[in-house]
Amino acid sequence: LAKTTQPISMDSYEGQEVNITCSHNNIATNDYITWYQQFPSQGPRFIIQGYKTKVTNEVASLFIPADRKSSTLSLPRVSLSDTAVYYCLVVRYNQGGKLIFGQGTELSVKP
Amino acid sequence: GAVVSQHPSRVICKSGTSVKIECRSLDFQATTMFWYRQFPKKSLMLMATSNEGSKATYEQGVEKDKFLINHASLTLSTLTVTSAHPEDSSFYICSATVSSGRDGYQETQYFGPGTRLLVL
Repeated sequence: LAKTTQPISMDSYEGQEVNITCSHNNIATNDYITWYQQFPSQGPRFIIQGYKTKVTNEVASLFIPADRKSSTLSLPRVSLSDTAVYYCLVVRYNQGGKLIFGQGTELSVKP
Repeated sequence: GAVVSQHPSRVICKSGTSVKIECRSLDFQATTMFWYRQFPKKSLMLMATSNEGSKATYEQGVEKDKFLINHASLTLSTLTVTSAHPEDSSFYICSATVSSGRDGYQETQYFGPGTRLLVL
């Protein structure tokens, strides 16, 4: 599976839009991208996933350029409760959804 | 979203004893479940893939005789840490896969809340 690289940490303030970019240069055509959020001492929570272009749900948007070598998770108007670790993962189709976690991005939202 | 539960949420045991952790998919059936462990301030490490009705597939470096996995039904997988030692103290998390037909065939993992194991 393609290795992912994302910033180790990011700081933001309440009400701002936060964009976390992840690179996955070796993504294959049968891979898609998924993002998870994790709070301390909890299991990760699914945020969003996509294959190409733009995907939006009630909590976030995911932008994937045409070459798919990177993706950007966009969190609109963050609040203090969005302080968490965010993981970008590349998933291969038809492998049961197997996930290999990288280091993640520790987002700190300040008042 | 799909709900996955784990029991117990935390357990303290003496060195040398065995501990069983249950993972259940509450509102869906899961042919595939996964087990992870996570140390403080570290990322999740995949331990094994649990397939209903067949033997688990362990990741490299994970002792299958140490971490016994049983996936006896479509809603239950168990992880037994045998002869636990203090170095087995960790946060153990399970997940279960839900298949979606949107944007093609995608499989989304939903995670349990985790089990904190402390071996004294």
